Amino acid sequence: QVQLQQWGAGLLKPSETLSLTCAVSGGSFSGHYWSWIRQPPGKGLEWIGEIFHSGSISYNPSLKSRLTISVDTSKNQFSLTLSSVTAADTAIYYCAGGVRSPMESWGQGTLVTVSS
Amino acid sequence: EIVLTQSPGTLSLSPGERATLSCRASQRVSSNYLAWCQQKPGQAPRLLIYGASIRAAGIPERFSGSGSGTDFTLTISRLEPEDFAVYYCQQYGSSVRTFGQGTKVEIK
Repeated sequence: QVQLQQWGAGLLKPSETLSLTCAVSGGSFSGHYWSWIRQPPGKGLEWIGEIFHSGSISYNPSLKSRLTISVDTSKNQFSLTLSSVTAADTAIYYCAGGVRSPMESWGQGTLVTVSS
Repeated sequence: EIVLTQSPGTLSLSPGERATLSCRASQRVSSNYLAWCQQKPGQAPRLLIYGASIRAAGIPERFSGSGSGTDFTLTISRLEPEDFAVYYCQQYGSSVRTFGQGTKVEIK
């Protein structure tokens, strides 16, 4: 089971761009699902997007116009950028992944707060 | 997009009791790619079940998953104190993944 370590800015102003990166260690990078998930304070989990085994990428339709997920296989990392953030994007952001399920391993989570 | 509806919203039980959680999908979940995770306050979620019925590594046998198609169930045979938490289902059979809204299992 791989380990995930994530990082990125935790405080943003409205209209700025959110950027997070997740580094994978302790196992193979290829052949896995790699996903981003968020959780607004006191609420449930929301799927943001995912890189599939095949290398293709799928996005949450409600975020697609502002969202980019990319992968750097040379560094065993994948990243998330979300543009034009608002207060509604305030949440704990998690990276997750695995071979058997997209939720097999989780990062520690990053609280991103959007406030002027 | 597949909508997952979990019931009940909250389950109030005592340690030692059996917990039965439901996850119903608005469309058939391809290949029964349905997972369950557990989340405790202040922690990242933890995978319990994938493929509808396969326990993840290190998960106790008291956790079991069942179901197929559109109706899935997570059963905790005898609740331990550490099992009181929020449980989510997620389908990963379609390219747009979705989560249920969660079921909170609380101490009665």
